[in-house]
Amino acid sequence: TQLLEQSPQFLSIQEGENLTVYCNSSSVFSSLQWYRQEPGEGPVLLVTVVTGGEVKKLKRLTFQFGDARKDSSLHITAAQPGDTGLYLCAGARVQGAQKLVFGQGTRLTINP
Amino acid sequence: DTGVSQDPRHKITKRGQNVTFRCDPISEHNRLYWYRQTLGQGPEFLTYFQNEAQLEKSRLLSDRFSAERPKGSFSTLEIQRTEQGDSAMYLCASSFSTGQGVYGYTFGSGTRLTVV
Repeated sequence: TQLLEQSPQFLSIQEGENLTVYCNSSSVFSSLQWYRQEPGEGPVLLVTVVTGGEVKKLKRLTFQFGDARKDSSLHITAAQPGDTGLYLCAGARVQGAQKLVFGQGTRLTINP
Repeated sequence: DTGVSQDPRHKITKRGQNVTFRCDPISEHNRLYWYRQTLGQGPEFLTYFQNEAQLEKSRLLSDRFSAERPKGSFSTLEIQRTEQGDSAMYLCASSFSTGQGVYGYTFGSGTRLTVV
């Protein structure tokens, strides 16, 4: 059983469309991060959210941490082919925890 | 600083052989992590070091696996008597932590191990 469930697992859309990826858990996390990973490479950190209800924006990407700190979402506006990749959410269970628990990832394909 | 380096990028080995991977973290970072990622899954925690001390090991890390970080700099991960189930991407990451929690890792590009 995954501690962090991501949905959808696969998403293929056309350039210019909007999309949302979800990361859900029944557990509370002290912080949550989103990474993007390209084939054959390690994940690259996009954002960290630590406060319930927090919203962070990174250009066309909007990240939200749920009020109860059990879930998060990533919204991409006007998706571009360069957004293609594996999106991973990862959380720290307790404050001070040093290891991250990862979701299984959402594989996003943006078609030109 | 060019980030986290891992060597080799790819390793193909025969079942039963021993393999060793190396990770050079960002020099200012005091924590170093090893994760394993299989196809279609997110990374799974294996172990982490604070400076030279190995502070936590996952149950995934069987007796055939050993990790070291001599002098608190680079780290090695050795797998003895490799099995086909060990085939995966082995990821190293580093971070600077004050003890208040982890707010983001910098990952290396990984070592892709294939056991044939």
